[in-house]
Amino acid sequence: DQQVKQNSPSLSVQEGRISILNCDYTNSMFDYFLWYKKYPAEGPTFLISISSIKDKNEDGRFTVFLNKSAKHLSLHIVPSQPGDSAVYFCAASVGDYKLSFGAGTTVTVRA
Amino acid sequence: NAGVTQTPKFQVLKTGQSMTLQCAQDMNHEYMSWYRQDPGMGLRLIHYSVGAGITDQGEVPNGYNVSRSTTEDFPLRLLSAAPSQTSVYFCASSSTAGVLAKNIQYFGAGTRLSVL
Repeated sequence: DQQVKQNSPSLSVQEGRISILNCDYTNSMFDYFLWYKKYPAEGPTFLISISSIKDKNEDGRFTVFLNKSAKHLSLHIVPSQPGDSAVYFCAASVGDYKLSFGAGTTVTVRA
Repeated sequence: NAGVTQTPKFQVLKTGQSMTLQCAQDMNHEYMSWYRQDPGMGLRLIHYSVGAGITDQGEVPNGYNVSRSTTEDFPLRLLSAAPSQTSVYFCASSSTAGVLAKNIQYFGAGTRLSVL
């Protein structure tokens, strides 16, 4: 049973607007959450992370929000750019190296 | 700046054949792992290693073997390939220095495997 779920397989957004990607998890023991970005024919690359002791982490155009009571996290990309078109994976761990990944959300940024 | 290198990039096997997917990293990372990516399933952990001589099973280990004789290399063996093993395979590594470093895994470009 998947412990990390990304219920939106795809998202289309206009260039310059905000992209919001959502992720839900079931394991309350997860204490570290990450977002990875993947381009076709490449491996995933780390984008941004947040630990369970925080509710927000910001890095340039990317912000991750964590709502522990709802077991929900989201990634905001503002403003969206054409180079942001990729598959985004949400991942979580209990701090022991082993990551549990969601199924991914394909983001398409329209010019 | 090689990072994590996987070979081959593509492979077609017949049912019952065996093969080894190679993975090498040049970052002196202790932790290495293998994932498979299937449509609608995300990445699922097959096997992992926290150092040379130490390996353990992940979420979907059946049909796969691993060994870790050096820090740099972590090959994945399919002993008798089955169509259910058709997938894209990713190798990853991470440092063990701190909680953040442990979780930031560096991935190879993947091996696309088809088993007929």
